[in-house]
Amino acid sequence: DAKTTQPTSMDCAEGRAANLPCNHSTISGNEYVYWYRQIHSQGPQYIIHGLKNNETNEMASLIITEDRKSSTLILPHATLRDTAVYYCIVRSPYAGNNRKLIWGLGTSLGVNP
Amino acid sequence: NAGVTQTPKFQVLKTGQSMTLQCAQDMNHEYMSWYRQDPGMGLRLIHYSVGAGITDQGEVPNGYNVSRSTTEDFPLRLLSAAPSQTSVYFCASSIDKAPTDTQYFGPGTRLTVL
Repeated sequence: DAKTTQPTSMDCAEGRAANLPCNHSTISGNEYVYWYRQIHSQGPQYIIHGLKNNETNEMASLIITEDRKSSTLILPHATLRDTAVYYCIVRSPYAGNNRKLIWGLGTSLGVNP
Repeated sequence: NAGVTQTPKFQVLKTGQSMTLQCAQDMNHEYMSWYRQDPGMGLRLIHYSVGAGITDQGEVPNGYNVSRSTTEDFPLRLLSAAPSQTSVYFCASSIDKAPTDTQYFGPGTRLTVL
């Protein structure tokens, strides 16, 4: 599975959109982009995933560039509860690939009042 | 649904002691796994299971044993604890059908080995 690069930390004002970038320049054509987050001392939580089209759910939006070499997770109206470490992971769609996930250090997002 | 539950939440052991970290899920997931998380490092896979009676090693299996006698439970055993096993341990489960096999994590067990 391809490796990802994320900024170590970011800050965002409460109520504003938080845009978290992820670089995955070696992504293959059938690999998905997944985002998880980990609120302090808790287990990671799934947010969203996508292949090439933009995706939106009740938590966030995922924008994947046309060449698929990078993506952005958007939290449209960040709250203090969104303060967490956000992980961007690239993985192939085959069953069994949860065993091969590479969890990096993610981006530590601080939401400020 | 309770989701993924882990017990205990905290544990302190002395070097050489043994213990079992418990993990249970009520979502009928085939896939279950154990990770450890250390400061400055990403989650690392210890062991995983694709169903009852089937287990396999992950990235850092040494010093840990697992078994899976039921779909619901996946305990992690430390046979002889060492200070290097001080860590936060997370259990996770998912269906085993990509790409919808998003993982559900438990709240973690914080283990200190003195």
